[in-house]
Parts: sequence; C-alpha cells; structure tokens
Amino acid sequence: GENVGLHLPTLSVQEGDNSIINCAYSNSASDYFIWYKQESGKGPQFIIDIRSNMDKRQGQRVTVLLNKTVKHLSLQIAATQPGDSAVYFCAEIGNQFYFGTGTSLTVIP
Amino acid sequence: EPEVTQTPSHQVTQMGQEVILRCVPISNHLYFYWYRQILGQKVEFLVSFYNNEISEKSEIFDDQFSVERPDGSNFTLKIRSTKLEDSAMYFCASSEALPAVGGYTFGSGTRLTVV
Repeated sequence: GENVGLHLPTLSVQEGDNSIINCAYSNSASDYFIWYKQESGKGPQFIIDIRSNMDKRQGQRVTVLLNKTVKHLSLQIAATQPGDSAVYFCAEIGNQFYFGTGTSLTVIP
Repeated sequence: EPEVTQTPSHQVTQMGQEVILRCVPISNHLYFYWYRQILGQKVEFLVSFYNNEISEKSEIFDDQFSVERPDGSNFTLKIRSTKLEDSAMYFCASSEALPAVGGYTFGSGTRLTVV
C-alpha cells in the first residue's frame, strides 16, 4: 500500500490544551483524506475529511490542515477532553483505505 | 444512526479450524469491506466487495480467506483453516458509494483468537 504514516506514536496533553496530530503521505495523486479515531476495543470512527482542493476544514472542535507541497496532514483538537483519548489514524482514500500506524493520544486530567 | 453490526464480538478457535465472521452492513450501502488489525498494529485492508463479487483484495487475503453475501443483509468472512497469526481484530465496513465520501462506517469488530 501507499506510505501513510504518522510522525509520532504517542502524544500526551493536559485537559483543556489543544492537540496537534501529524501525518505524512507519499502519494501526491491522492485527493481525499480522512481522520479516524479508534477507542480501545472499538472500530475506527470517522472524525473529519478533506479533499485535496482544500487546505483547511473545520468541524466541531477539530480542524484538519492539508499541505500538499510537503504531503502532510494534521489534525488539531481544540480544548482536548478526556474523552478524546484514543488512537488517531489518518487514511488516504482510493478504492480502499491506507491507514497509518496511528498516534495514541492521552489526555491528562 | 445506522450501524454496521458484527458478530460475534469475540471468537476463540483452535488452529486449523474454520471460522466465519459475520457482518450486517448498513442497509443502503453497496460496498463492503473487511479489514484486520493485529494487536498494536495498524488497520490493514483485506478485501472489498461490490455487486456480489470481490473488487479488490490485498496480499493478505490468500486462498484461506473467502467472502460471501449469502442474502440481502449479511456479509461474511470465512477463514478456512485458521493459523495462529490470524489472531486479530477483524473489522467490517460499508460505504454507500465510491469514493467513500464521508468515509466508511466500521463495525465494532470481532476479536479472533486462534489457540
């Protein structure tokens, strides 16, 4: 599969702080990306997506940034809460997903 | 909110035995997928299925694996002769169209333990 990987395997943040999770991809032709959240023992859950004709998209407390020049995605979570603790995957979408290995986010109360 | 349902949630089987993992995709979805996740590793694509046939499969999906949509609601993954290394979480997913705008909807997974 394509090389969709994450820069850091773990991230710890204080409750209330903002979190930034990064992801690199290698296929410059990719045009659609998704961030997923996976809580322990559960399946991946859609958070937010972005198409390659955009460089930023905002959701509720989350923002995805896409830098096509350096093939980099980031997920920003505002005012991180304990319920945000999970593994976060970026995925590059074609006819299938190519998932990165994930970043484990731990929110410290 | 519509869900993808997987059963059982946990399956323990002896090496060499056949297992069937079951999934009920979202009713108006046309594309179905199986993924697996070995403990501590990333989610890996196994197979996609559309119009009653496999549309794409990975190198993991060898002759020991098969998928079937036996009726209008179920989508199954069969492993013919399980190996220890088949122990993993298996996720079913479905989507309404391709590309999967809004992503796939994943089930909660079946944890397969081969002993």
